[in-house]
Amino acid sequence: SQKIEQNSEALNIQEGKTATLTCNYTNYSPAYLQWYRQDPGRGPVFLLLIRENEKEKRKERLKVTFDTTLKQSLFHITASQPADSATYLCALPFSGGYNKLIFGAGTRLAVHP
Amino acid sequence: NAGVTQTPKFQVLKTGQSMTLQCAQDMNHNSMYWYRQDPGMGLRLIYYSASEGTTDKGEVPNGYNVSRLNKREFSLRLESAAPSQTSVYFCASSEVTTKNTEAFFGQGTRLTVV
Repeated sequence: SQKIEQNSEALNIQEGKTATLTCNYTNYSPAYLQWYRQDPGRGPVFLLLIRENEKEKRKERLKVTFDTTLKQSLFHITASQPADSATYLCALPFSGGYNKLIFGAGTRLAVHP
Repeated sequence: NAGVTQTPKFQVLKTGQSMTLQCAQDMNHNSMYWYRQDPGMGLRLIYYSASEGTTDKGEVPNGYNVSRLNKREFSLRLESAAPSQTSVYFCASSEVTTKNTEAFFGQGTRLTVV
């Protein structure tokens, strides 16, 4: 069955550094991958989408890579700020379409001043 | 824009009680979804509706039923609540006619079954 793995341990970094989060998946060849941000007590909010034919995607301080050979996506936040502290989820579409998404458990990021 | 609105935000049920979680979206999306989120397990799909009038099971449908009342509304019903259904429930919507598009989530319903 399709499986997504994200580091369950929280990532603690200093303000101004680059945060790198990992998403690995198995038994699957998705057409795209998405990253979401979730704050405590709130629903996930979409950040970025990267397609299988794209190696890298950028949006302001965010960068996502997608390696379909390694079956891995890396999510980078450069010049991190305390306001970036949240849980970050990666999501892939179920095989079969309709844009149903399967989510990883998420990695909590804490940026310290 | 309100986006996706869920009611209620919090609910406590006794084992065996029933309830319906309501969800409405104002973005004219075709597809709607119900997820549950448990610590360490991420979001798991309960049911989804690709378009008005259709519903289908997701990963964890047992103990739940859904109704796609119209294009805007998608409700989730627990017929006989069990402690294992204690969770945070999220409704989401997306536009199925455009490939590779994001999902929009409601603020969640925190349900406790005692």
